[in-house]
Amino acid sequence: GESVGLHLPTLSVQEGDNSIINCAYSNSASDYFIWYKQESGKGPQFIIDIRSNMDKRQGQRVTVLLNKTVKHLSLQIAATQPGDSAVYFCAEADTGTASKLTFGTGTRLQVTL
Amino acid sequence: DSGVTQTPKHLITATGQRVTLRCSPRSGDLSVYWYQQSLDQGLQFLIQYYNGEERAKGNILERFSAQQFPDLHSELNLSSLELGDSALYFCASSASGGAAMGSTEAFFGQGTRLTVV
Repeated sequence: GESVGLHLPTLSVQEGDNSIINCAYSNSASDYFIWYKQESGKGPQFIIDIRSNMDKRQGQRVTVLLNKTVKHLSLQIAATQPGDSAVYFCAEADTGTASKLTFGTGTRLQVTL
Repeated sequence: DSGVTQTPKHLITATGQRVTLRCSPRSGDLSVYWYQQSLDQGLQFLIQYYNGEERAKGNILERFSAQQFPDLHSELNLSSLELGDSALYFCASSASGGAAMGSTEAFFGQGTRLTVV
């Protein structure tokens, strides 16, 4: 989307390699986390979510890892494809007090051939 | 296609003016969220409505207001526009009222690109 104008950290990976995108969250009370993908010209698209009672969750080609001790979240993409090129955002929510999602600043993933 | 419709897609207006952005949520979704995405600040939560009532408020300026109508569509009103209000404005919808009531998986629209000149 228009986030291409943001000065985002960029991760470049070769097609076929695995990608790991990291996110540090700030609120220790957050207990629900989501990864979103935003392609150019589109709105954020849900990829995978995880609750704080889990430390790992797998989807199709994606895995989210949660480390509550250090407030760190990561998204692993297996066998990265050109179509994975996008900006990836993590989002957190404290389900006990608020329903809104707080988004991180995002990471741009560039897949090279 | 997420099922969330935002209009207009692009809007160019002058400083001091007022605009209204419209959002139609996915069929059956009761919650509508508004986010602002600017070049230097990423996605910022503005406000959420659930079944017609304000549910949560974020960093929304007093010059901005929103409402959700009985048919569940929502409008975001931006007034006394300033150059710094230029941004992408996203609407998202979800079935629940938020994380406390289940998944907060929210589906985003394509956004409205607002340019204030």
